[in-house]
Amino acid sequence: GAVVSQHPSWVICKSGTSVKIECRSLDFQATTMFWYRQFPKQSLMLMATSNEGSKATYEQGVEKDKFLINHASLTLSTLTVTSAHPEDSSFYICSARVLTGGDHEQYFGPGTRLTVT
Amino acid sequence: GQNIDQPTEMTATEGAIVQINCTYQTSGFNGLFWYQQHAGEAPTFLSYNVLDGLEEKGRFSSFLSRSKGYSYLLLKELQMKDSASYLCAVMDSNYQLIWGAGTKLIIKP
Repeated sequence: GAVVSQHPSWVICKSGTSVKIECRSLDFQATTMFWYRQFPKQSLMLMATSNEGSKATYEQGVEKDKFLINHASLTLSTLTVTSAHPEDSSFYICSARVLTGGDHEQYFGPGTRLTVT
Repeated sequence: GQNIDQPTEMTATEGAIVQINCTYQTSGFNGLFWYQQHAGEAPTFLSYNVLDGLEEKGRFSSFLSRSKGYSYLLLKELQMKDSASYLCAVMDSNYQLIWGAGTKLIIKP
């Protein structure tokens, strides 16, 4: 099946620094990419939706200046957490969607665990 | 509002069959997804249903009834590794996924 990779898989950073997370669809071109965050024992929360070459659409309550999303190509999207704080510590998961013969298929990356100290 | 309901937790025995139900009320419908998520890992795609009926994939099957706003995931010949959370998600009219809270499946020997 389709593979989505994320890098890094985990990162520890100091408060006030910025962290970039990459998401790649390895063997397919994604029509749309999504960024989620998940706190322990909670459901996935959609942060933003992005299409290649256009600005991301952020969900209500998500600060677009803090969570910068760049969707450079049909296979690469990046999420940059700027001026990270301990409350940003979470599991960040990207997802890529492909439309195949009229069917939507959406695959998830393995996730990036961010710890801000 | 939009709502996805699924049981919080289920327990089953190794080798048995279990059915996880999901009911939904959403603004529009563009398909229903089932995902498996092990603790500390990202979800893994299991199935996508957009038409009524049963889709079978090995030990896993997924059923959809759009008129009833209902789906189920059927797991056969349960194995210990099937212990995980199973997430039901519906794609609404804006092509956004609306997520259920997940069903934690516990498999006992």
